[in-house]
Amino acid sequence: KAGVTQTPRYLIKTRGQQVTLSCSPISGHRSVSWYQQTPGQGLQFLFEYFSETQRNKGNFPGRFSGRQFSNSRSEMNVSTLELGDSALYLCASSFTELRHGANVLTFGAGSRLTVL
Amino acid sequence: AQSVTQLDSQVPVFEEAPVELRCNYSSSVSVYLFWYVQYPNQGLQLLLKYLSGSTLVKGINGFEAEFNKSQTSFHLRKPSVHISDTAEYFCAVSAISSGSARQLTFGSGTQLTVLP
Repeated sequence: KAGVTQTPRYLIKTRGQQVTLSCSPISGHRSVSWYQQTPGQGLQFLFEYFSETQRNKGNFPGRFSGRQFSNSRSEMNVSTLELGDSALYLCASSFTELRHGANVLTFGAGSRLTVL
Repeated sequence: AQSVTQLDSQVPVFEEAPVELRCNYSSSVSVYLFWYVQYPNQGLQLLLKYLSGSTLVKGINGFEAEFNKSQTSFHLRKPSVHISDTAEYFCAVSAISSGSARQLTFGSGTQLTVLP
């Protein structure tokens, strides 16, 4: 079974530009979550999508947005990039353990964004 | 809201020695608990999870963790470490309820370095 695939793995942008990151979940997983990882703030939740609907959103400005397609693939977009947006962006897909309702995440390798 | 404290940012240990990585959490509701490992330039890999039942949980690569509700702890242990266990380890929680409970709250991570 293929894992969670994120593209691109590495990218460099300049301040003010925008970026789109892509995530293909594990086949059969309908939930996709995004996390930002930085040395200073650690791992922070961005948002979760399920069946093309944003189910939950973290405490990030409106410059961060996402969407999910009918095949469960997801994209996240960051507009008007700032230096502080440099981070590893991790996508995770999940099935829900029906007996418990727990969200057990499988992560991709991440997209490392550098903003100059 | 939940919070997670990983008490040690760095843990050096000699090969074949035992190790314990400490994790304490704070939550006003019951939680699910997870340990993830991150190798350099990779995403997060699930080591083990506590959803319910036995408080002693066994995971991959010989790791285990014990849930202690009274002490709100979920410490990770391995009786004998290998060089290949060198990585960063993250403890995470999610609340047992609907809505925003599906997001994971992560600790700041513990860098385990296994010395020859």
